[in-house]
Amino acid sequence: GNSVTQMEGPVTLSEEAFLTINCTYTATGYPSLFWYVQYPGEGLQLLLKATKADDKGSNKGFEATYRKETTSFHLEKGSVQVSDSAVYFCALSGIENFNKFYFGSGTKLNVKP
Amino acid sequence: DGGITQSPKYLFRKEGQNVTLSCEQNLNHDAMYWYRQDPGQGLRLIYYSQIVNDFQKGDIAEGYSVSREKKESFPLTVTSAQKNPTAFYLCASSIGAGGPADTQYFGPGTRLTVL
Repeated sequence: GNSVTQMEGPVTLSEEAFLTINCTYTATGYPSLFWYVQYPGEGLQLLLKATKADDKGSNKGFEATYRKETTSFHLEKGSVQVSDSAVYFCALSGIENFNKFYFGSGTKLNVKP
Repeated sequence: DGGITQSPKYLFRKEGQNVTLSCEQNLNHDAMYWYRQDPGQGLRLIYYSQIVNDFQKGDIAEGYSVSREKKESFPLTVTSAQKNPTAFYLCASSIGAGGPADTQYFGPGTRLTVL
C-alpha cells in the first residue's frame, strides 16, 4: 500500500541555519509528491510539489527533489527564518486513485532568533 | 478571490448532539474531501467526493455523514455515534481530473470541541 514516513519532530534551529526534513514514501509506480505547511490554528498550504522522478519542486527558498531510487522527497532550505516556524507535511497521491492523498504525520519546526 | 471557506472556525457541542460543519469552495473543483486532525498527528481522511451526488468513505468514516448536492458545497455532519469527536476538521478540494498533478487545496479548518 501507499504510505509516507517523516522524521520525528520537533526540529529546533537557530535563524539562518540549514534545514532538512526527511520524507520517504512507499508506493507502486510513480506517485506525485507534495510538501504542505501548516501555521498554528490554520489549514494546510501547498508549499511545493513534484510529479515525476528527478523533478525539483521549489518555493519561497524551500526545495525538494523527487528521488525514485531512494523513494525520498526531503525538504531543504538554506537559511531558515523565525517566520518558517510551522508544521510541515509530506504527502503523496497514489497512482491508482489520484484523488486520494496519503499524508505523513508532520514535522514541527521551531526557529529561534 | 477563489478559495475554500469553512464555518464556523470554532464550534462547541454537547455530548449526544449532532453538528454540521460547513465547507464551500468557489474554485470550480469537482473533488472535495474531509480530514480530521488530532493534536500532534497527521491528517486522516473521513470522506471524499469526486462528483456531485457521489461520495466515498475514507479511513475513519464511522460516526460521520456527508452530502454532495451541489458542486461547491460538501457539509460534514458529526453524529452522536462518533465517540471522540473533539478535533480539528479540515476540508479540501481539487480539480479532480485524475491527473498526476491534481493538487488538494485546504480551507482554514473548524475546531470542534465536545463539552
